[in-house]
Amino acid sequence: NAGVTQTPKFRILKIGQSMTLQCTQDMNHNYMYWYRQDPGMGLKLIYYSVGAGITDKGEVPNGYNVSRSTTEDFPLRLELAAPSQTSVYFCASTGQDNSPLHFGNGTRLTVT
Amino acid sequence: GESVGLHLPTLSVQEGDNSIINCAYSNSASDYFIWYKQESGKGPQFIIDIRSNMDKRQGQRVTVLLNKTVKHLSLQIAATQPGDSAVYFCADPAVDTGRRALTFGSGTRLQVQP
Repeated sequence: NAGVTQTPKFRILKIGQSMTLQCTQDMNHNYMYWYRQDPGMGLKLIYYSVGAGITDKGEVPNGYNVSRSTTEDFPLRLELAAPSQTSVYFCASTGQDNSPLHFGNGTRLTVT
Repeated sequence: GESVGLHLPTLSVQEGDNSIINCAYSNSASDYFIWYKQESGKGPQFIIDIRSNMDKRQGQRVTVLLNKTVKHLSLQIAATQPGDSAVYFCADPAVDTGRRALTFGSGTRLQVQP
């Protein structure tokens, strides 16, 4: 199993551009999450999904959108990139509620 | 609001010594806690977890202690090695019960000196 795979690893955007951060997992996990991590800080939850077709907002959803059309994929969309969205983005998944998450290795995004 | 993780920013230890990383939580209803290790440039990795019906749980070179009276967790690493250098997070899935997702503190950076 590859686990949780995130692409791209790095990206630089100009203000106002849009992009999609890709996340896929091959563990047949129902639960998937997007977090952002600012320098020297913990992880903040952006959006999560408890199964295909179901998504919900986390702590910091503004400026982002998600979709979950399949169990495997959980893309994160930035429509109008802003400097405040400069961060490292982590996708995670788990098969059961209240169990450890499996994380990808992150996407480092810079908005200038 | 609820919070998890009153961490010291950095803990520096000598190789071979034991390390103790602390974490506090505020939600009395929290019943499950997870420790993660994050190496530079990588995502967090699961280390060990503990449920509230336990006071102590041991893994390979790691022990987690839970004190529900004072709402405090600690992660103990025995015979710390250079490969243990990382940021350590405690996480609590129950902090926001409506969201069922982990909330992380800012973490403790463990530096192992040779």
